[in-house]
Amino acid sequence: GAGVSQTPSNKVTEKGKYVELRCDPISGHTALYWYRQSLGQGPEFLIYFQGTGAADDSGLPNDRFFAVRPEGSVSTLKIQRTERGDSAVYLCASSADPTNTGELFFGEGSRLTVL
Amino acid sequence: AQSVTQLDSQVPVFEEAPVELRCNYSSSVSVYLFWYVQYPNQGLQLLLKYLSGSTLVKGINGFEAEFNKSQTSFHLRKPSVHISDTAEYFCAATKGGSNYKLTFGKGTLLTVNP
Repeated sequence: GAGVSQTPSNKVTEKGKYVELRCDPISGHTALYWYRQSLGQGPEFLIYFQGTGAADDSGLPNDRFFAVRPEGSVSTLKIQRTERGDSAVYLCASSADPTNTGELFFGEGSRLTVL
Repeated sequence: AQSVTQLDSQVPVFEEAPVELRCNYSSSVSVYLFWYVQYPNQGLQLLLKYLSGSTLVKGINGFEAEFNKSQTSFHLRKPSVHISDTAEYFCAATKGGSNYKLTFGKGTLLTVNP
């Protein structure tokens, strides 16, 4: 498709379980971002990829969170031992060139609910 | 640390009325500023951005914003709103040197009533 695609759109899991969220960016976009949006808050930065490498992972809240982008396209956000506080909408975005502060294209998000 | 404050969490207006959504930022260095809109069940999309130059920035759908350095503000305006403008609006900023990392405000829900 033409836009950023995120799957699943909704995920309900139990506390302590492992979760993977997938992001398929716009074709040709080298930069990929993950943000987290909690209820009533604006999106918060988690991690930024330039190509295959994580250029900045300073927003990951703790070592239960990990993200990969092995071939420089699709990215997976992985959350281990989920906690109720991880419940949020996880947003993925991509851009063609992050250095010119160009437009970020966001997906519709993956809503994670931890029971 | 960079922060962005949106002073109103909700703004109800009537159709064809003017609207202003307020945004203030804190920074001691130059910043880049953005407004994003999120329509129901859709992803965030860029309305407009200020990088440099003219302080009045025009965006899509008739919106505009003015960068005011002395007041550290970047308020969003539209002279006449439509029902279809009902959405959540987010102000965001980056900081020179980390211009890939957006700091968002908490958002303002604009509700346009007939």
